[in-house]
This record gives sequence, structure tokens and C-alpha cells, in this order.
Amino acid sequence: DAGVIQSPRHEVTEMGQEVTLRCKPISGHDYLFWYRQTMMRGLELLIYFNNNVPIDDSGMPEDRFSAKMPNASFSTLKIQPSEPRDSAVYFCASSLGTAGGEKLFFGSGTQLSVL
Amino acid sequence: QKEVEQNSGPLSVPEGAIASLNCTYSDRGSQSFFWYRQYSGKSPELIMSIYSNGDKEDGRFTAQLNKASQYVSLLIRDSQPSDSATYLCAVNTNAGKSTFGDGTTLTVKP
Repeated sequence: DAGVIQSPRHEVTEMGQEVTLRCKPISGHDYLFWYRQTMMRGLELLIYFNNNVPIDDSGMPEDRFSAKMPNASFSTLKIQPSEPRDSAVYFCASSLGTAGGEKLFFGSGTQLSVL
Repeated sequence: QKEVEQNSGPLSVPEGAIASLNCTYSDRGSQSFFWYRQYSGKSPELIMSIYSNGDKEDGRFTAQLNKASQYVSLLIRDSQPSDSATYLCAVNTNAGKSTFGDGTTLTVKP
């Protein structure tokens, strides 16, 4: 298996622009997570899905952030409008949930820079 | 109080020594505990999981769990320079949801 695939690897944009991050989880995994990592705040859970349904979005910082999972093999995280404080590494991860011991498999991440 | 706390580090040990990494958590209902390793510029990767009190060994790594004390640790024996990385403790309170500590950066000096 190719593992969790994220795109793009790097994104540089200007403040106010829309940013869309993409993720393809490992086939068969029924949980998908979006995390954000910064030096100041560490690794923060933004939102997670179970069987394509959002379960907990309490970590989404504000209404500028939205996430979707239209099917079992694809998810997006959108920021509109983007701000410099959104600059971070965004990780997507998937797991088999309790059936698989809840171990997370991370994608390579998207390094987002908002100028 | 943070849900998951780790020694602030950084931690430096000589090659061949034992590195000890510690983690405490606040939710007594936590069921699953994990250690992830993250090399600089890379994504976290799972190295150990533990679900019941006691020790779990895997090669040079030993995870220890004490639910009464709400404490998890990771011991790395015969530390190697390739072990130099940030180690993240993760705790699951609800099915499938991991909360991470801030990480401890370990440097193993040759």
C-alpha cells in the first residue's frame, strides 16, 4: 500500500487566498484525521471522520476552516480566507479505529506558508 | 492543565546509554497509549503501543504504563545516533481519537 497520500507537499499563498489541502487515506481505514503542527502549539487535532462522517470538529480554529470527506478515499481541508497565522504543517492520518488498535498512519504533510 | 504532558527536554544522552522519556495524562478514562517518533521535517511514525498496565518490550524499546499514576514512559536501550528525533506521546480517550503531547527532543551523541 502507498500509505496516506497528501497534496500538495508545499503551498505558498498570500493572505486572503483560498487554500485546499488534499488527502487520500490508506484503503480500508475507516478513520481519517486532520492535524496541524506548529512549534508553539504542537500537534493539534482539527477534525476527524469515521466512515466519511465528521465526528468531532471541535479543534477547527474558526469558520474559515472547513473539511469534507465525500467518499472513503478522499478528504479535503479548506481555508478561506487564509491568514499568516495559519502557516503550519498540516498532516492527514488514517487508522482502522478500535479494530486496528487505533494506530495512526500519517501522510507526509503539507507545509503551508501564508504571506 | 494539558491533557497530555511530556518532559520538556531537550534530552541528550551518549551513544549506548538508556534514554528515558516520560508522559502523564489527565483523563482516567484513557484506554490506549502510543509513542510516535518524528524526525526533523518528517511525519510522526508509530514505534510503540501499550494498552494494559506493565511493561511492553520491542527490541531496544520498552513502554511502561501505570494507569493508577496516569503515567506512560518509553525507555530506549543502547541508544544510537539514529534515535535522535522528537518523541511524541499520544493518548486515546475516545475510540479513534489521539491527543498528543508536545514531544521531547532526544539527541544521542556519538
